[in-house]
Amino acid sequence: QQQVKQSPQSLIVQKGGISIINCAYENTAFDYFPWYQQFPGKGPALLIAIRPDVSEKKEGRFTISFNKSAKQFSLHIMDSQPGDSATYFCAARRSNYQLIWGAGTKLIIKP
Amino acid sequence: GAGVSQSPRYKVAKRGQDVALRCDPISGHVSLFWYQQALGQGPEFLTYFQNEAQLDKSGLPSDRFFAERPEGSVSTLKIQRTQQEDSAVYLCASSITAGGHGYTFGSGTRLTVV
Repeated sequence: QQQVKQSPQSLIVQKGGISIINCAYENTAFDYFPWYQQFPGKGPALLIAIRPDVSEKKEGRFTISFNKSAKQFSLHIMDSQPGDSATYFCAARRSNYQLIWGAGTKLIIKP
Repeated sequence: GAGVSQSPRYKVAKRGQDVALRCDPISGHVSLFWYQQALGQGPEFLTYFQNEAQLDKSGLPSDRFFAERPEGSVSTLKIQRTQQEDSAVYLCASSITAGGHGYTFGSGTRLTVV
């Protein structure tokens, strides 16, 4: 049962462009929404996270936009670089610890 | 250690064989999690430890899966009588807080059952 839906499945962006990945959730009890970056052969690494009482959070080139009423949140990567090429996962935290994950977006940044 | 260490990195098991996967969390981290990641999918929760106590094992797919963390540090995930559907990457993560903010993941163990 997929409680976090992520799109698109794959994304190709030109170097310097903006990469946008979207997620939607169903459970209003989720209280923490992280984004993870995963390179091949590595475990996911926390990129940026947001709580539902905040509409936007920015860290460097990475921004989360959060729409509580629509139950949607998105990751924006500004000035995308080839080194950003990876698989990105959104997630939502249920209870005090369990993360529910999206299916992932494979991002390719073309030089 | 500096990060979460998992061993082995790769494991090939014949169907029916038992396997044991090891996780060394970051020293002092209270919370430890196991996740299963199928190819091309997001991780799925298996089980959660707070120190040595297994507080949630609701994600373990069957009674062939067993996890322990006897001294509150190293954890072992054991799979008995492996099946082909067990083939996946098994990820371990730890967190310094009991609430599991800011997990740090290991690189995982890729299990292939043949």
